[in-house]
Formats: sequence, C-alpha cells, structure tokens
Amino acid sequence: GENVEQHPSTLSVQEGDSAVIKCTYSDSASNYFPWYKQELGKGPQLIIDIRSNVGEKKDQRIAVTLNKTAKHFSLHITETQPEDSAVYFCAASMGAGSYQLTFGKGTKLSVIP
Amino acid sequence: DTEVTQTPKHLVMGMTNKKSLKCEQHMGHRAMYWYKQKAKKPPELMFVYSYEKLSINESVPSRFSPECPNSSLLNLHLHALQPEDSALYLCASSQVQTSGNTIYFGEGSWLTVV
Repeated sequence: GENVEQHPSTLSVQEGDSAVIKCTYSDSASNYFPWYKQELGKGPQLIIDIRSNVGEKKDQRIAVTLNKTAKHFSLHITETQPEDSAVYFCAASMGAGSYQLTFGKGTKLSVIP
Repeated sequence: DTEVTQTPKHLVMGMTNKKSLKCEQHMGHRAMYWYKQKAKKPPELMFVYSYEKLSINESVPSRFSPECPNSSLLNLHLHALQPEDSALYLCASSQVQTSGNTIYFGEGSWLTVV
C-alpha cells in the first residue's frame, strides 16, 4: 500500500519567516495530495490540495509544489503569523474514486511572535 | 468554518453504556466517513458510506456500529467500549469523484470511556 513520509515532525519559525514542510509518497499511482491544518481541540481543516496534472498551486500565503518524478510534495507558508501555529498533515490518495487517504505523521508548526 | 456538524462535542461513557455519535452535512456530498484519531497521530479511517451504502469497513470491532439514515446524516453507535477506544472521532464528507475525493472534516467528538 501507499506510504507517506513527512518531515520535519516539529518546526519553529519566527513570525514573518517562511515555513516549509516536505512529504514523500511511495505509490506512483497516487494522484491527489491534500494538506490539512489541525488546531488544538479541532478537526483537520483542508487548506490546499493539488492534483498530479499540476506542478504548483498557490492560495495567498500558502503554496504547494509537486514533483511526480521524485514522488514528493511540499507545503510552503510565507509571512508566517502566530495563528499559523498548528499541526499540519499531508496526505495522498490514489484517485479514481478512492476514498482512502494515506496521511503523513504530521508536523507541529510553532510561530514565535 | 466546517460544514460538517458533529454532536456531541464531548462524551463520557462507561464500558456497559450504549451511546451514539451524530454527524450531519448539507453540502450535497454522497460519501460520508468516520475516522478515529488518537493524540499526536493522524486520523485513521474506520468506515465509508457511498450513496448511503457501506463501502469500506477497515476491520473495525463490532462494538462500533455505523448507520447512514440518509445522504445527509451519519451515526456511529457505541456499545461495550473499552478505555482504549477513548479518542477523537471525526466525521467527514466528500463528493464521489473520478479522481481524488476532497474530504472535509467536522470538528470531532471527544470520547472518553471510563
């Protein structure tokens, strides 16, 4: 089955700096890659996703890049703010109507004011 | 704000109790999910309903019994649970797509089994 590795497990940045979280996947059939943000005591919130026919996608301060050849994808957050502090999960899905997401183990991001 | 609503937010139950978790979505999604999440871990898939039919059961113990009364509602019936079942239970929904279902989660129900 699919395996998703996520690094780093913890990340501390100064407010205003950029943060990068990286994930690798094992199954080349995976074609859908969402990112979730989970604040303490809340459910995961979808923040951005990318499909395998696209190399990069941006939404304001958040961007995701995908390298299908290397089987890795990354989340980039620019101009970080304290409210960006949360646990971030990457995931991969094999598409074609697949209901199953394989999650990475998560990255705890702390933005220091 | 999430459009998947879960009740109750918190539940404490004894090992002999019977209780239910409830979930509702009004996004017109035809797939609904139950996930279990332990502290500092990613969500783990338990069940998937597609068009109100059970599509996936990830070998979940029978003390967890899902029910999908209609396309907007999803229940999880709990009976004779163990303390290790204490966790955050997440409901989610998605369209049924040909490639990569975009899954939206609710805020979860925190379950404590005593």
